[in-house]
Amino acid sequence: EAQVTQNPRYLITVTGKKLTVTCSQNMNHEYMSWYRQDPGLGLRQIYYSMNVEVTDKGDVPEGYKVSRKEKRNFPLILESPSPNQTSLYFCASSEQGGNYGYTFGSGTRLTVV
Amino acid sequence: DAKTTQPNSMESNEEEPVHLPCNHSTISGTDYIHWYRQLPSQGPEYVIHGLTSNVNNRMASLAIAEDRKSSTLILHRATLRDAAVYYCILRGAGGTSYGKLTFGQGTILTVHP
Repeated sequence: EAQVTQNPRYLITVTGKKLTVTCSQNMNHEYMSWYRQDPGLGLRQIYYSMNVEVTDKGDVPEGYKVSRKEKRNFPLILESPSPNQTSLYFCASSEQGGNYGYTFGSGTRLTVV
Repeated sequence: DAKTTQPNSMESNEEEPVHLPCNHSTISGTDYIHWYRQLPSQGPEYVIHGLTSNVNNRMASLAIAEDRKSSTLILHRATLRDAAVYYCILRGAGGTSYGKLTFGQGTILTVHP
């Protein structure tokens, strides 16, 4: 089944403790992206990647890192999480170009205390 | 980024058609119009997209104005499962223009039995 898989689904952590949220897709998509979703603010793009080793900032990249060492994986790294990064996170992938729809993962609910 | 404007909310009765409007007056000639929906507690789901011509698929129809400054997502017979937040977004065709995506607030669709 074609899908985007995020892990973990739920995570509670403490301020300052580095964490990684994994994202993997099995559709051989070149493009991948991370979003966060907060009440009243909607979906905001954090980072995106056009292909392996090619990443760029979205609208809210501060406090996050990403890497794209292989096509299928696009992990989101929080080096020193803070409470304002408590949010619902979504990973998405697509073929290259505007003529393709996104496939989203099921989300990771992160709480930083 | 070209932006989209949607009504905050709409209501419909079950088994009636629903027309969800979207304005995108600053759309560029190569932007694709995409629609997604997000059911409660789930990731966004691709619905349909188009460039100039009207489009149909098993989920919905997309009607695009001749000047492309607006579009309408049509659900032909709404069901309770169609209750969701619907997002209209613009995606560039290629190069780096399709990488950065902005989701608006979307339209909350309520379907009454």
